[in-house]
Amino acid sequence: GNSVTQMEGPVTLSEEAFLTINCTYTATGYPSLFWYVQYPGEGLQLLLKATKADDKGSNKGFEATYRKETTSFHLEKGSVQVSDSAVYFCALSGTGNQFYFGTGTSLTVIP
Amino acid sequence: GAGVSQTPSNKVTEKGKYVELRCDPISGHTALYWYRQSLGQGPEFLIYFQGTGAADDSGLPNDRFFAVRPEGSVSTLKIQRTERGDSAVYLCASSLLAGRTGELFFGEGSRLTVL
Repeated sequence: GNSVTQMEGPVTLSEEAFLTINCTYTATGYPSLFWYVQYPGEGLQLLLKATKADDKGSNKGFEATYRKETTSFHLEKGSVQVSDSAVYFCALSGTGNQFYFGTGTSLTVIP
Repeated sequence: GAGVSQTPSNKVTEKGKYVELRCDPISGHTALYWYRQSLGQGPEFLIYFQGTGAADDSGLPNDRFFAVRPEGSVSTLKIQRTERGDSAVYLCASSLLAGRTGELFFGEGSRLTVL
């Protein structure tokens, strides 16, 4: 079956620190991979995506590379800001058009 | 607005009552999804519509849950004989392209509390 496992939180970082949030997946076939973000008081929104192996998704300074060999899609940012404080969800979409989400990782960035 | 709209934003009901939650997707989006999100958890798939038909309802937890999308636009999630365990945020999302490369656009959710 399809599933996503992501790093447990919460994560607290100082401003300008390096961020990694780990995500691994199990899927049949060749899924697309996504990171969604939920800012306080807002709905989930797409942060970045990658649709095939070795693709790199990027947006707002965040990056994630689709690694088929390690079934991973880790989220990284070189220098986090206070405004990046949010909950981050890794997700995949497979052949059945369903989207499967991880449990979310809460990030707090302190000045 | 142009986003996904969900009503009500908050609903408090008593155990055993019937509840309807409404989702108005982005105009032109043919795919519509319902998810349920409990505190500290990720969204849990309930049902997916492509047009008017339920393409996949395998996530509905039991027969107390039902969803319709009669004209291929607005959808209603219906919960009969509500239980305390149904308390959660119910999320609706729509997409122009279903699945793989299609981006989901989420509403802000309907928070259901069953007393």
